[in-house]
Amino acid sequence: GAGVSQSPSNKVTEKGKDVELRCDPISGHTALYWYRQRLGQGLEFLIYFQGNSAPDKSGLPSDRFSAERTGESVSTLTIQRTQQEDSAVYLCASSEWTGRNQPQHFGDGTRLSIL
Amino acid sequence: DQQVKQNSPSLSVQEGRISILNCDYTNSMFDYFLWYKKYPAEGPTFLISISSIKDKNEDGRFTVFLNKSAKHLSLHIVPSQPGDSAVYFCAATPRTPLVFGKGTRLSVIA
Repeated sequence: GAGVSQSPSNKVTEKGKDVELRCDPISGHTALYWYRQRLGQGLEFLIYFQGNSAPDKSGLPSDRFSAERTGESVSTLTIQRTQQEDSAVYLCASSEWTGRNQPQHFGDGTRLSIL
Repeated sequence: DQQVKQNSPSLSVQEGRISILNCDYTNSMFDYFLWYKKYPAEGPTFLISISSIKDKNEDGRFTVFLNKSAKHLSLHIVPSQPGDSAVYFCAATPRTPLVFGKGTRLSVIA
């Protein structure tokens, strides 16, 4: 597609359940990022992937969070044993590479609500 | 500790006038700055950026000013249009990933 695609657009689940969020980056973009935005907050970095290099996981808030990426394609963010504080909009972005002057192109996000 | 601060959560401006959005940062290692615009239920879109070797960058109606000594940058929109109504995020980086502020909601009133 033309832009970054995320699915689902909305997800409501019960506390304690596991969730998987999907991101399809722009074709040819080697760098992929996950952020989250909690209510009233800015975007919070979670993890990024660059090509075949080891991902930078420094922003993951706990070991309940993990992410995978298949080559330079789809990425999945998994949250295990969800908690109410995980409620947020989860945003994926991609760029041609991780150079700082490469603008990141964002998807529309997945709004996650934990009951 | 917030490294990028947008102290005004909201701003209202008359159509045709100038909108000035401000951003302060604390990390002196930041040397590249970006502004993103976000409409409801959409992801942020890149607007304009500036490197620390410059103090001004202009793109059409949008100009970003950087004051390194004050660790302050601002986004000017002239003239403001109703379609500019959105949340504007300031972001900074010494390298990937970006550090974002909390955003300023701009309302341009017709």
